[in-house]
Amino acid sequence: NAGVTQTPKFQVLKTGQSMTLQCAQDMNHEYMSWYRQDPGMGLRLIHYSVGAGITDQGEVPNGYNVSRSTTEDFPLRLLSAAPSQTSVYFCASSLTGFDSPLHFGNGTRLTVT
Amino acid sequence: TQLLEQSPQFLSIQEGENLTVYCNSSSVFSSLQWYRQEPGEGPVLLVTVVTGGEVKKLKRLTFQFGDARKDSSLHITAAQPGDTGLYLCAGPYNQGGKLIFGQGTELSVKP
Repeated sequence: NAGVTQTPKFQVLKTGQSMTLQCAQDMNHEYMSWYRQDPGMGLRLIHYSVGAGITDQGEVPNGYNVSRSTTEDFPLRLLSAAPSQTSVYFCASSLTGFDSPLHFGNGTRLTVT
Repeated sequence: TQLLEQSPQFLSIQEGENLTVYCNSSSVFSSLQWYRQEPGEGPVLLVTVVTGGEVKKLKRLTFQFGDARKDSSLHITAAQPGDTGLYLCAGPYNQGGKLIFGQGTELSVKP
């Protein structure tokens, strides 16, 4: 049982480059979300989805795009990377929503130079 | 501005000591969750508190939800090095699926 799988584990980008962080879950969870973690700031919600075809913005959505074409996958796109996006990114899923336990992946450490 | 304020942000103690971590807000939450995160991994849920005044115990960890549902605390009795990690509280904000986190408390328990 893989749970929530994130790829890649590490990534270095140059300013202006684009990339997609992948997230997949095999638990048939309806709810998926992306967070970024920066020192002293906890986890901040970027985007979330309550089901296939439905996405919404979190606390810090600027510079990021998401889509949810299947229940299993929830990729996060950086269209034009900026140094301020250097962070550790976590994908999480839960069965029904924010009131059920979140299952996290192991994170992607992104550095933008 | 953090909707959920955790204190202290850093805590370094000796094995065997007791400690309390606080999670406070000016807003009412329908529930609060506590997670623990170890280096290089994602957070893992410890407990969810739902009812005002509720107390839940998980071995040496005691979680309390304030009567007014604006605050929560985590008390660890006789801390062990295995308790070392980042402790995060989280709660649902508004309706529609936003689970927000406090900034975390980094705990180090030295043998």
